[in-house]
Amino acid sequence: DTAVSQTPKYLVTQMGNDKSIKCEQNLGHDTMYWYKQDSKKFLKIMFSYNNKELIINETVPNRFSPKSPDKAHLNLHINSLELGDSAVYFCASSQYLLRENYEQYFGPGTRLTVT
Amino acid sequence: AQKVTQAQTEISVVEKEDVTLDCVYETRDTTYYLFWYKQPPSGELVFLIRRNSFDEQNEISGRYSWNFQKSTSSFNFTITASQVVDSAVYFCALNLDGNEKLTFGTGTRLTIIP
Repeated sequence: DTAVSQTPKYLVTQMGNDKSIKCEQNLGHDTMYWYKQDSKKFLKIMFSYNNKELIINETVPNRFSPKSPDKAHLNLHINSLELGDSAVYFCASSQYLLRENYEQYFGPGTRLTVT
Repeated sequence: AQKVTQAQTEISVVEKEDVTLDCVYETRDTTYYLFWYKQPPSGELVFLIRRNSFDEQNEISGRYSWNFQKSTSSFNFTITASQVVDSAVYFCALNLDGNEKLTFGTGTRLTIIP
């Protein structure tokens, strides 16, 4: 069983388009994240939701809008795509403040290419 | 503020050699957690280890070992008798107590030459 799944795995689109990436976790976790990995492999957090509430919002353009319909899903919608948005986007989940066994479980990533 | 530095951008070693990946972190917090993740060529992120700031015991898991030293703010990772399957990008990461964010280092690309 896949713990954290993302769709699609690959996404190629043109500048100016709007696209969404979906993420689902079946681990029963209450916290989910979006990370961006750029072409130099640098991984940086974008957003985090706990029980459908935004708890982390790093400096991300407002063209990026996360949406959490329930605690098992966190989708990422991107408006007016730009070339610089090309990256691999990782979804992750964890159990909030579970310190003893804290771990973030990552999805397989979505490679977004903007042409 | 927190920061993780992986000064080694790329390392290449011949198969069966030992290799150590360095990780230096910065934080003023007294309670924190350190992680290592592996990202093989297939792209997924694989969890390797978590260590909390109160536990400075070194850990060994098969060919992998980790050396945590608070005095030098380092959490180094050693692979013994490296194998081609160890070729990957390895990330060190830091999490502060009460904060759900993982701060990653820039990663070290390890290539094992057969």
